[in-house]
Amino acid sequence: GESVGLHLPTLSVQEGDNSIINCAYSNSASDYFIWYKQESGKGPQFIIDIRSNMDKRQGQRVTVLLNKTVKHLSLQIAATQPGDSAVYFCAEISMDSSYKLIFGSGTRLLVRP
Amino acid sequence: DVKVTQSSRYLVKRTGEKVFLECVQDMDHENMFWYRQDPGLGLRLIYFSYDVKMKEKGDIPEGYSVSREKKERFSLILESASTNQTSMYLCASSSPAAGHEKLFFGSGTQLSVL
Repeated sequence: GESVGLHLPTLSVQEGDNSIINCAYSNSASDYFIWYKQESGKGPQFIIDIRSNMDKRQGQRVTVLLNKTVKHLSLQIAATQPGDSAVYFCAEISMDSSYKLIFGSGTRLLVRP
Repeated sequence: DVKVTQSSRYLVKRTGEKVFLECVQDMDHENMFWYRQDPGLGLRLIYFSYDVKMKEKGDIPEGYSVSREKKERFSLILESASTNQTSMYLCASSSPAAGHEKLFFGSGTQLSVL
């Protein structure tokens, strides 16, 4: 709900611009990374994923980039729309953690009309 | 589409009450999870289950228990609710066939303990 957005870093973009949301992950042994989107009043929804043997993956209007050297993940949203306003979470998973997802604390994206 | 349904959207309980949060999924998923979500802390795993009658502790199991008597249902139990358990609770499910990692979430239960 709305309380999710409190205390979160916020990215404000103009409608139509591209958005880049960043995430630093913690475990160099993580095999797999996921981006989730959480709209107000809803649970997180899967957006896109990437395996550790890749450095880029594209979806519809979204691209995920992985830089294992600096343990950094980014989500790029092209031509941002009002419906993209939400909190975005990255998550990592590794075999040595019994496939448990570890979530980042999230970034709030606000799209200005 | 996968549907994960949490029985209550909002709950208000008193300190010391026993609280049941129910979750049902309709896609025959083997794996089910309970998370809590707090501002600035992201999602933290409380308990999870990979099969009926099976349960494993997550990162913050203290003060909680779970029950999985049927594959489609995973219940979170607060034996004696405390104010620090006021939070948004999210249930999720996944399937090894579709990828353990692709969690499908319910809409959440906002629990307030007074």
